[in-house]
Amino acid sequence: QFQLVQSGAEVKKPGASVKVSCQASGYTFTNNGISWLRQAPGQGLEWMGWISGYNGDTKYPREFQGRVTMTTDTSTSTAYMELRSLRSDDTAVYYCAKDVGSPVLPSAHFDTWGQGTLVTVS
Amino acid sequence: SNELTQPPSVSVSPGQTARITCSGDALSKKYAYWYQQKSGQAPVLVISEDDKRPSGIPERFSGSSSGTVATLTITGAQVEDEADYYCYSTDSSDNHVVFGGGTKLTVL
Repeated sequence: QFQLVQSGAEVKKPGASVKVSCQASGYTFTNNGISWLRQAPGQGLEWMGWISGYNGDTKYPREFQGRVTMTTDTSTSTAYMELRSLRSDDTAVYYCAKDVGSPVLPSAHFDTWGQGTLVTVS
Repeated sequence: SNELTQPPSVSVSPGQTARITCSGDALSKKYAYWYQQKSGQAPVLVISEDDKRPSGIPERFSGSSSGTVATLTITGAQVEDEADYYCYSTDSSDNHVVFGGGTKLTVL
């Protein structure tokens, strides 16, 4: 059974950074990529980017370029997402999702989601 | 920003057929994926690669795609199908994930 377990809720001040972890189990971490998404209160889902579990390549949408960094630790099958220069509108639930597609290109095919991590910026 | 367009809401009575559309240029070259999200829960994949139903998803859920429009159909919608539904795809130029704004399905 595939599983992604995320780190706990965070409260941060504006201007600070937050780093959320996502530990994978039940599959070979390097065979897939991980996407990060977020959902602000009452809003839809927003894709923040993707990282390859195979070679660490990343893809970030323009909206997050320069403010987000995604990394992996293959020894512990863990992916990390760091968001810097936090603003109040970064308050959201952050999700990691296992990408079923090629390990070297993102797809929109996510078969497993983490439980979500609430980040509050206040 | 959203690059796929969905209607904000769809409402049907129990037992009726609900259809949710998703339109965008990406869909002419890439697959559509549909996710169901119930309040306070993580999203669940209900349709992959335009029309494939993952194991465990009821048969009443089906998907289709033609040109730049993908459609999620729930035949005989149940009260428990009330949720937000999101379509996703990838941009053909940079493989970035693009998504719709979500459709709130009401079954009552």
